[in-house]
Amino acid sequence: EVLLVESGGGLVQPGGSLRLSCAASGFTFTTHWMSWVRQAPGKGLEWVANIKEDGSAKYYVDSVKGRFTVSRDNAKNSLYLQMNSLRAADTAVYYCAKTRSVAGTGFDHWGQGTLVTVSS
Amino acid sequence: DIVMTQSPDSLAVSLGERATINCKSSQSILYSSNNKSYLTWYQQKPGQPPKLLIYWASTRESGVPDRFSGSGSGTDFTLTISSLQTEDVAVYYCQHPLGTFGQGTKVEIK
Repeated sequence: EVLLVESGGGLVQPGGSLRLSCAASGFTFTTHWMSWVRQAPGKGLEWVANIKEDGSAKYYVDSVKGRFTVSRDNAKNSLYLQMNSLRAADTAVYYCAKTRSVAGTGFDHWGQGTLVTVSS
Repeated sequence: DIVMTQSPDSLAVSLGERATINCKSSQSILYSSNNKSYLTWYQQKPGQPPKLLIYWASTRESGVPDRFSGSGSGTDFTLTISSLQTEDVAVYYCQHPLGTFGQGTKVEIK
């Protein structure tokens, strides 16, 4: 069974930092792109970042470029999102999502999400 | 960047009736390498993460009921629920798999 478990969310002041983690199990982690997707309270889904199987390619939505860094540790089957210079607009549930192996076929498994609240 | 626009924002349909959601991309997402449109549909129920319903515009994910169908190519796509059930009440999102989601369509029972 594929499991994705996010952790690391919480309350942080504007300008602060947080590191989210996603522990993956039940599939071959090293053969899948992974993504972070967020959802602000009562709003829609927003793709945040993704990372290639070996970590050699990373992409970000414009609003987080230069502030967020996605990484992975394939030895630990883990995905990370380092979030710096946090803003109120970054308040959201952050989901870790597994990309299917075949190109263009979407995110077939999602974690339950971890809530990040940016507020003073 | 590719922008995905859904319509309507919400709709109310009677049980057993058809629900239709549209999604338009700002540029063609038909890939000539495999002649597939890279368009996915997700269902999200309250308090749950999204669930993949359809990929490549019209291929149902394993386990998804056949009352869900997708169609379209290029820039215009449709998700159809042929006979709405109570458990289909949710928000539906289209997505270009390289990132952008549509804004979502809320489906309710009339």
